[in-house]
Amino acid sequence: ETGVTQSPTHLIKTRGQQVTLRCSSQSGHNTVSWYQQALGQGPQFIFQYYREEENGRGNFPPRFSGLQFPNYSSELNVNALELDDSALYLCASSSRVGVETQYFGPGTRLLVL
Amino acid sequence: LAKTTQPISMDSYEGQEVNITCSHNNIATNDYITWYQQFPSQGPRFIIQGYKTKVTNEVASLFIPADRKSSTLSLPRVSLSDTAVYYCLVGDIQDTNAGKSTFGDGTTLTVKP
Repeated sequence: ETGVTQSPTHLIKTRGQQVTLRCSSQSGHNTVSWYQQALGQGPQFIFQYYREEENGRGNFPPRFSGLQFPNYSSELNVNALELDDSALYLCASSSRVGVETQYFGPGTRLLVL
Repeated sequence: LAKTTQPISMDSYEGQEVNITCSHNNIATNDYITWYQQFPSQGPRFIIQGYKTKVTNEVASLFIPADRKSSTLSLPRVSLSDTAVYYCLVGDIQDTNAGKSTFGDGTTLTVKP
């Protein structure tokens, strides 16, 4: 157990819909990163939030957006869902003091039909 | 971020030592090498991290030669429960870049009885 929780665990949506995924970071961690992991591939970096500000973004379109709250929990929002958005969405929290070690949550499995 | 190359898959037997090598020819001065383990439908789990020479913890050792263009994760006496995908990441751990990791497709290790 890493102390990072995500909700929901599974989700089914239809193309064109919007989805919000949630992540609670490990106690003491002020940085959250989101990843998309398609079946059989490694996680792909979506973006990172540090103290409620976006701090870097991967190669994902603007319909992927996020928020970080004062308690450092975070949301990932995806608009206009496409079939290719079907994946495992992972969040990872880390402390920005010292060496980077990310602690991953169990992920949310999203299926877009 | 430095690109990494790992074998796609490896097989081993219980009780053997397993060595997984990762190539990262373009590693930068500030880059650290981090290894993660991932089981199906779970988030990656931190195993070990190093900068140079050798690092050892309770689960693994990490060997990094002087030129740092490759690294080897060593798992002593593997068991069936070590069957998983192993990812090698290379990246800058300074504040502005921490967490923006690029995962490759990893190495699928299968441990047989």
